[in-house]
Amino acid sequence: EAQVTQNPRYLITVTGKKLTVTCSQNMNHEYMSWYRQDPGLGLRQIYYSMNVEVTDKGDVPEGYKVSRKEKRNFPLILESPSPNQTSLYFCASSLSTGWGTGKETQYFGPGTRLLVL
Amino acid sequence: DAKTTQPPSMDCAEGRAANLPCNHSTISGNEYVYWYRQIHSQGPQYIIHGLKNNETNEMASLIITEDRKSSTLILPHATLRDTAVYYCIVRGWVDKIIFGKGTRLHILP
Repeated sequence: EAQVTQNPRYLITVTGKKLTVTCSQNMNHEYMSWYRQDPGLGLRQIYYSMNVEVTDKGDVPEGYKVSRKEKRNFPLILESPSPNQTSLYFCASSLSTGWGTGKETQYFGPGTRLLVL
Repeated sequence: DAKTTQPPSMDCAEGRAANLPCNHSTISGNEYVYWYRQIHSQGPQYIIHGLKNNETNEMASLIITEDRKSSTLILPHATLRDTAVYYCIVRGWVDKIIFGKGTRLHILP
């Protein structure tokens, strides 16, 4: 089954304790992305990756790191989490064919709910 | 800033057609219009997309104006399960994606 998986689904941590949220897709997609969702603010892109070893900032990258060493995995790293990073996080993937071809439908993971105390 | 503008909320009676508008006045020639929806706090789900022609699939229809500056998503027979937040985005060159806040659709029994 084609899917995007995220782990963990729920996480409670304390300020300053490094954490990693994993994301994996089995569709051989080039493009992967992380979003955060907060009440009243919609979905905001944190980082995206257009292919292996190619990553770039989205709209809200501060306090986050990513890496793309393999095509299927795109982990989100919070080196020193703070309470303002309490949020619902989504990973997504899609084909990346350069200029739009209409084949860039995004597939989203189930979400990771993070609480930073 | 979002490339699209949507009303924050809409109501629709169950069984009627739900028409959700989206303004994308700065859309460029190679950008497609995509619609997604998010039920509760689940991951957003793809609905439909189009470039300039009207499109229909088993979930919805997409009407794009001739100048491509706006579009309408149509759910032909809305049910309570269609209650969700609907996002309209434009996407061409595959880089940063801006979702905006979407439209919260309430289906009224």
